[in-house]
Amino acid sequence: AQSVTQPDARVTVSEGASLQLRCKYSYSGTPYLFWYVQYPRQGLQLLLKYYSGDPVVQGVNGFEAEFIKSNSSFHLRKASVHWSDSAVYFCAVSANYGNEKITFGAGTKLTIKP
Amino acid sequence: GGIITQTPKFLIGQEGQKLTLKCQQNFNHDTMYWYRQDSGKGLRLIYYSITENDLQKGDLSEGYDASREKKSSFSLTVTSAQKNEMAVFLCASSPRGTEVFFGKGTRLTVV
Repeated sequence: AQSVTQPDARVTVSEGASLQLRCKYSYSGTPYLFWYVQYPRQGLQLLLKYYSGDPVVQGVNGFEAEFIKSNSSFHLRKASVHWSDSAVYFCAVSANYGNEKITFGAGTKLTIKP
Repeated sequence: GGIITQTPKFLIGQEGQKLTLKCQQNFNHDTMYWYRQDSGKGLRLIYYSITENDLQKGDLSEGYDASREKKSSFSLTVTSAQKNEMAVFLCASSPRGTEVFFGKGTRLTVV
């Protein structure tokens, strides 16, 4: 079975500060990993994805994430946040073949302080 | 590009009522999903389908039925709506389990 844990339900960061949102996954094989964002009153949008290769992947709006297999983690980072980054962020995992079940975490609500 | 259309956008039902939510996609994706989004609980997978007429149970399938009669459509039925239930149901599609594309959701309220 696969699962995703996002240990922080809410994170508050000052504008211009750096950000890390944590994600740990459980899956016995090699995973596909995703971060999605949901802005207020909007649908979910893909932020970035990891399939293979370079463990650091770049996404839109200056976001990046690092796949650390030994730690089963895929934390999301941004060097300097903007007020428009306020949203709910979801980490997700799927198998890299066959089974196409995609499992999401509970989400982290990010609030940016002026 | 493509789009996922969910109908209706808002659904109000009575306790015990059977309710059906519909989803259409024009991406020509093989795989389709139904997720339930509750505040504080993230997205929980109800059913998914990897091809026409295929159904796979997710983690939250009890109390729901699904149907995939065509590649482009995937419907979800709440078999007996629970009083005070309130959630957003999200339909999604994917080209073979990679990136998922979402619809805008159906907001369910049960009175």
